Amino acid sequence: EPEVTQTPSHQVTQMGQEVILRCVPISNHLYFYWYRQILGQKVEFLVSFYNNEISEKSEIFDDQFSVERPDGSNFTLKIRSTKLEDSAMYFCASSEAAYTDTQYFGPGTRLTVL
Amino acid sequence: GENVEQHPSTLSVQEGDSAVIKCTYSDSASNYFPWYKQELGKGPQLIIDIRSNVGEKKDQRIAVTLNKTAKHFSLHITETQPEDSAVYFCAASKTGNQFYFGTGTSLTVIP
Repeated sequence: EPEVTQTPSHQVTQMGQEVILRCVPISNHLYFYWYRQILGQKVEFLVSFYNNEISEKSEIFDDQFSVERPDGSNFTLKIRSTKLEDSAMYFCASSEAAYTDTQYFGPGTRLTVL
Repeated sequence: GENVEQHPSTLSVQEGDSAVIKCTYSDSASNYFPWYKQELGKGPQLIIDIRSNVGEKKDQRIAVTLNKTAKHFSLHITETQPEDSAVYFCAASKTGNQFYFGTGTSLTVIP
């Protein structure tokens, strides 16, 4: 069964450093998403991406964040200058089309900012 | 924006009993309500979903009900098994838009 994959599973970084989290969505999916989950809290939407542009973003997704689809398979989330409060689990998700609604989530990347 | 509330935050049941988790939402325009199961160290996995044109949906031991008037929906798990132990999240969205998640319910099924 096709699945969303994410790398790395755990990323440790120093405050102020840039990190790139990588995702490979399901191959025939067209819509891509990033969510984050701070430990013990609810899953929060960050951004959705379609046709090589951001279609929706939350207030969490400020200028420190960016997303990119550098090739036909990868979808990345970049945090330019990490802060302690960026420590969280980051989930990538994809869906076949917006109207199908169903989003499939990857296993997540745990980001720890020291 | 949408606000999704989920109760209870923790739930313990004996194996074989039923478990019910309830969610409310605030935006009457929301029309898609998925439920996700998250096991330790893994991402959320879709277990069942319901759209606003349906009042109930069932898949084996799992069922979801939706009351659009009251803006609440519930997950029902019957004949619970130890492997049902996980954190369950409800979510609400409008077609094509972001998901708004509840705060999660940690379900423990006691053998």
